[in-house]
Amino acid sequence: GESVGLHLPTLSVQEGDNSIINCAYSNSASDYFIWYKQESGKGPQFIIDIRSNMDKRQGQRVTVLLNKTVKHLSLQIAATQPGDSAVYFCADAIPYNQGGKLIFGQGTELSVKP
Amino acid sequence: GAGVSQSPRYKVAKRGQDVALRCDPISGHVSLFWYQQALGQGPEFLTYFQNEAQLDKSGLPSDRFFAERPEGSVSTLKIQRTQQEDSAVYLCASSFRGQGSYGYTFGSGTRLTVV
Repeated sequence: GESVGLHLPTLSVQEGDNSIINCAYSNSASDYFIWYKQESGKGPQFIIDIRSNMDKRQGQRVTVLLNKTVKHLSLQIAATQPGDSAVYFCADAIPYNQGGKLIFGQGTELSVKP
Repeated sequence: GAGVSQSPRYKVAKRGQDVALRCDPISGHVSLFWYQQALGQGPEFLTYFQNEAQLDKSGLPSDRFFAERPEGSVSTLKIQRTQQEDSAVYLCASSFRGQGSYGYTFGSGTRLTVV
């Protein structure tokens, strides 16, 4: 069946460094991906998304890269701050006309050291 | 309200007890989703409503799980005869019509512990 998985369960970085969180997906037909941040005791919060017709998309301090050849996504966070400490998930977003559900990976816990 | 509201925030149930979890979506949001998140895992899809119609319940793990949204706004997830493997955080999300996965807003979840 389809799965979305992450390479590393935990990542520890120094404040001010850049962070890179990776994600692999298995469905070559996947069209749309979303990165979420989840803080303790809260629901997932949208960070950035990317469609399969793009290789890269930038937001504020975040960049998502998509490599369709190897079915791999990455989330880059520039100048990581203590407030970035959380669990990060990539999700495969099923098209709305097919139900619109999200298929999440397992998550990477990002810890930022001051 | 300003966000998706879920209640209770925490629920402890004895094995075999029935529980009901409530979700108040953002006003006007047509689509509503329930997810189950086990400790250390990503959320897993349970079921989806468009207005009052339950269009997808493929993720419900057993017939002990039942969800409803009778008036197209508030939704309730009911679990009958709870078992220890039901312990998880149950997340609700809503979105505007036509957006589906896009424009999801998640609630903070209900943490269910079955003892």
